[in-house]
Amino acid sequence: DIQMTQSPSTLSASVGDRITITCRASQSISSWLAWYQQKPGKAPKLLIYKASTLESGVPSRFSGSGSGTEFTLTISSLQPDDFATYYCQQYNSYSRTFGQGTKVEI
Amino acid sequence: EAQLVESGGGLVQPGGSLRLSCVASGFTFGNYAMYWVRQAPGRGLEYISGISNNGGNRYYVDSVKGRFTISRDNSKRTLYLQMDSLRAEDMAIYYCARDRDNNGYYSGPFAYWGQGALVTVSS
Repeated sequence: DIQMTQSPSTLSASVGDRITITCRASQSISSWLAWYQQKPGKAPKLLIYKASTLESGVPSRFSGSGSGTEFTLTISSLQPDDFATYYCQQYNSYSRTFGQGTKVEI
Repeated sequence: EAQLVESGGGLVQPGGSLRLSCVASGFTFGNYAMYWVRQAPGRGLEYISGISNNGGNRYYVDSVKGRFTISRDNSKRTLYLQMDSLRAEDMAIYYCARDRDNNGYYSGPFAYWGQGALVTVSS
């Protein structure tokens, strides 16, 4: 199975900061990578798919990049609503594994 | 707007069984692959099972293979997860989710999610 590793596990930041979360795949997944945001007690929300395509309705301060085995999620100017946990997921293979998550906290 | 509503969660003893349901609305259910994802308390997301639009292809993660069965009834717009031989480590919130792409097969990310159903395994 393809393993997905996110870093960091926790990120402390302030409103207005630019932050970057990294996701590495154990083997090439081309651009078949998605990013999700999850807030406490809520279901995950799809933010980005195909590594860099913004889902409809997602603010443009979110962006994704990468291909192959290394990917990043960037939030250009952190807003209060962005404090949450972020997960990457590969959908190159049937196993569709998630990363372990990155908690963005104040 | 697509909507997914899970039901069937609850408390079950180790070794017991439970069946989760997920009713879909707002889209043509029979056009999409569907999935189950779980999240243990305080832990991350784990994809455990998927089914193609016509039920002809099913996937299970190793940890539930042989114990869980995914199925769907397109006439009822409902996805199911039959969980047998439940263990303490199966305790989690179980989410159903819909593929983003409408080609019927496992192709896209998970675009829509239900609110989750809590399964507690304890004696």
